[in-house]
Amino acid sequence: EPEVTQTPSHQVTQMGQEVILRCVPISNHLYFYWYRQILGQKVEFLVSFYNNEISEKSEIFDDQFSVERPDGSNFTLKIRSTKLEDSAMYFCASRVPAGQGTNTEAFFGQGTRLTVV
Amino acid sequence: RKEVEQDPGPFNVPEGATVAFNCTYSNSASQSFFWYRQDCRKEPKLLMSVYSSGNEDGRFTAQLNRASQYISLLIRDSKLSDSATYLCVVNRHSNYQLIWGAGTKLIIKP
Repeated sequence: EPEVTQTPSHQVTQMGQEVILRCVPISNHLYFYWYRQILGQKVEFLVSFYNNEISEKSEIFDDQFSVERPDGSNFTLKIRSTKLEDSAMYFCASRVPAGQGTNTEAFFGQGTRLTVV
Repeated sequence: RKEVEQDPGPFNVPEGATVAFNCTYSNSASQSFFWYRQDCRKEPKLLMSVYSSGNEDGRFTAQLNRASQYISLLIRDSKLSDSATYLCVVNRHSNYQLIWGAGTKLIIKP
């Protein structure tokens, strides 16, 4: 069964450093998302991406964050200068197979646990 | 008012009992609805989609009430393995965004 894959599974970084979280969405999906979840809290929407551009972003997704789909398969989230409060689980998701309607569920990767020290 | 609201719980329920969760949504144009399950430190996984006519999958039954704008999830004969957080998700059709509830934590006790 196709799945969303994320790497690395765990990343430790020093405050102020840049990190890039990588995701490979399901190949024929059209919509891609990044979410984060701080330990013990709810899943928070960061950004959605469609047709090679951001379609929506939340207040959390400030200038420190950026997303790219550099090669048609990878979907990356970059945090330019990490803060302690960026420590969280980051989930990538994809949905809407090409040729199907938009009432489809999202499939999640297993997440990257980011720890900023 | 949040676009999707759930009782955060936790619901502490004895094994074998029936438990029900509700989720309300504010956008009447919402088109599709889902229940996800999330285990501790894991990614959310689809439990079931919610259809207008209601649907059942084994011990799980999902229902949609468009007039009152809520969806429900019923778990019968609960098992210890049902302990998780259950997330209500609504598809905002206008921009194809999925709007997530904060989740209801369920703890099944032996």
